[in-house]
Amino acid sequence: GENVEQHPSTLSVQEGDSAVIKCTYSDSASNYFPWYKQELGKRPQLIIDIRSNVGEKKDQRIAVTLNKTAKHFSLHITETQPEDSAVYFCAATINYGQNFVFGPGTRLSVLP
Amino acid sequence: IAGITQAPTSQILAAGRRMTLRCTQDMRHNAMYWYRQDLGLGLRLIHYSNTAGTTGKGEVPDGYSVSRANTDDFPLTLASAVPSQTSVYFCASSESMTSDTQYFGPGTRLTVL
Repeated sequence: GENVEQHPSTLSVQEGDSAVIKCTYSDSASNYFPWYKQELGKRPQLIIDIRSNVGEKKDQRIAVTLNKTAKHFSLHITETQPEDSAVYFCAATINYGQNFVFGPGTRLSVLP
Repeated sequence: IAGITQAPTSQILAAGRRMTLRCTQDMRHNAMYWYRQDLGLGLRLIHYSNTAGTTGKGEVPDGYSVSRANTDDFPLTLASAVPSQTSVYFCASSESMTSDTQYFGPGTRLTVL
């Protein structure tokens, strides 16, 4: 089955700097890659996603890139703000909800 | 509109007891899911349901059962709780099994002693 690895497990950046979180997946058939943000004590919420037919997608300060050949995708956050502090989860799936496999998460801390 | 709700918020349970975690959504979503979240392991799918009347096993189904009698409700039952089932449980829903976005409930923190 699918296996998703995520690095780093923790990341600290200065406010205003950029943050990059990387995920790798094992199943080349995976075709949908969402990113979820989970603030302390809250539920996970989708922040951005990308499909396998697209190489990059941007939404304001957040972007996701996908390299299908290497089987990895990354979350990029620019001009980080304290409210970006949270745990971020990547996921990969072949058939949407039935096969969602999440990475173990990255705890991002944005230092003032 | 409440979205997706879970009950209870938290529960401490003695090993061997039976427990049902409740999940209700008012978005008329066809697909619903149960995940458990453990530190360092992310979210792992326990069971899912494509539509009312059908259910399927996820990555970690052992020790859990679900039912889907109607569109709105998707309860998760632990027949005989064990300490390894101590976790935070999230229910989620999506418009269909082929929909992108999953909407998560607020979670239930379960401790089995």
